Amino acid sequence: DVKVTQSSRYLVKRTGEKVFLECVQDMDHENMFWYRQDPGLGLRLIYFSYDVKMKEKGDIPEGYSVSREKKERFSLILESASTNQTSMYLCASSSLFGATNEKLFFGSGTQLSVL
Amino acid sequence: ILNVEQSPQSLHVQEGDSTNFTCSFPSSNFYALHWYRWETAKSPEALFVMTLNGDEKKKGRISATLNTKEGYSYLYIKGSQPEDSATYLCAWPTNAGNMLTFGGGTRLMVKP
Repeated sequence: DVKVTQSSRYLVKRTGEKVFLECVQDMDHENMFWYRQDPGLGLRLIYFSYDVKMKEKGDIPEGYSVSREKKERFSLILESASTNQTSMYLCASSSLFGATNEKLFFGSGTQLSVL
Repeated sequence: ILNVEQSPQSLHVQEGDSTNFTCSFPSSNFYALHWYRWETAKSPEALFVMTLNGDEKKKGRISATLNTKEGYSYLYIKGSQPEDSATYLCAWPTNAGNMLTFGGGTRLMVKP
């Protein structure tokens, strides 16, 4: 079974801090994604990566950056955390770029609170 | 942003009831339609990925249909059980890449 592991289940940070959320997948998937989940808004895509060092902005990239130095690891960076970034963050992966019928495999999520 | 709409937002049913909910998506440039189940404190898991108009998929008591011409998919649960309580999400690739746009989800609660 594919495993997508997120480094923290719960995280509390202060406004202005730099925050790193880490995600690792163990199945050599090409694609990795960062979503955030807010009540009533569904899952919204922040960033997508289809290869090492390659990234594309999703629907809500403002205030975030990403890093993919190795194929298995995709990091989400909040340069200066703000209270409106309090949310559940989900990492996902899928196998092949351009294959729209490939299902996503999700991590268990990180609930981030910014105080 | 092209929207994927799900209805209802939430649903309370009794154990044993059958239920269904809807996902609407833009009917132009169709690639695929995904359904996921997200139980509390767990990761979302894929139920179905549907690609052909008229497609029907089944997994135990859960089934789904697809109408790409009119832009909707139905998810049916026969004889709901408390363990079916979850948020059901549909998602639609907005282009030939892999970026999925998700609907807001239908939260199902099944009372014993």
